[in-house]
Amino acid sequence: DAGVTQSPTHLIKTRGQQVTLRCSPKSGHDTVSWYQQALGQGPQFIFQYYEEEERQRGNFPDRFSGHQFPNYSSELNVNALLLGDSALYLCASSLGGLGTEAFFGQGTRLTVV
Amino acid sequence: GQQLNQSPQSMFIQEGEDVSMNCTSSSIFNTWLWYKQDPGEGPVLLIALYKAGELTSNGRLTAQFGITRKDSFLNISASIPSDVGIYFCAGPSTGFQKLVFGTGTRLLVSP
Repeated sequence: DAGVTQSPTHLIKTRGQQVTLRCSPKSGHDTVSWYQQALGQGPQFIFQYYEEEERQRGNFPDRFSGHQFPNYSSELNVNALLLGDSALYLCASSLGGLGTEAFFGQGTRLTVV
Repeated sequence: GQQLNQSPQSMFIQEGEDVSMNCTSSSIFNTWLWYKQDPGEGPVLLIALYKAGELTSNGRLTAQFGITRKDSFLNISASIPSDVGIYFCAGPSTGFQKLVFGTGTRLLVSP
């Protein structure tokens, strides 16, 4: 039973570039949430996808966008990268549009230089 | 917005000691979750609590859902070096779509 998988594990980008991160949810889960975790802090909610729609959004600018595919996998896109976007990006999967009892992937470490 | 405060911020203990940490909120939560995060990894769910007063164990870990529904406690008995990590409490926001995370408790265990 595969858990939540994210790719890539590490990424270095230049300020102003665009990046796409990918997530496959745990088998049997249909809901994907994305979180940003800065160093030394707890994860901050970016948005949630359920039934291929963005259901709820945290306090993040429109530069952050996403997509969910029919197989429930998801992408997070960030445009016009800023140095402050450097963080660990976590994907969490759950069931039925709820964010509770979320299972997290290992994360993608994004460094913007 | 909803905020969760954890204490202590960090702990440095000897192997074999028991550990207690807590999480408090200014607002009511209907579910409490405890996660452990190792460096460079994603959080791993340890215990989920659903009812006020509930006491749940997972091996050497025991967590309690506070009666006021504004706090939760996590205890680790007979700590071992692999308990090292950051422990986060979390609760669902209104609507249950996102998790609000606490500030974290960093645990260090000396062999």
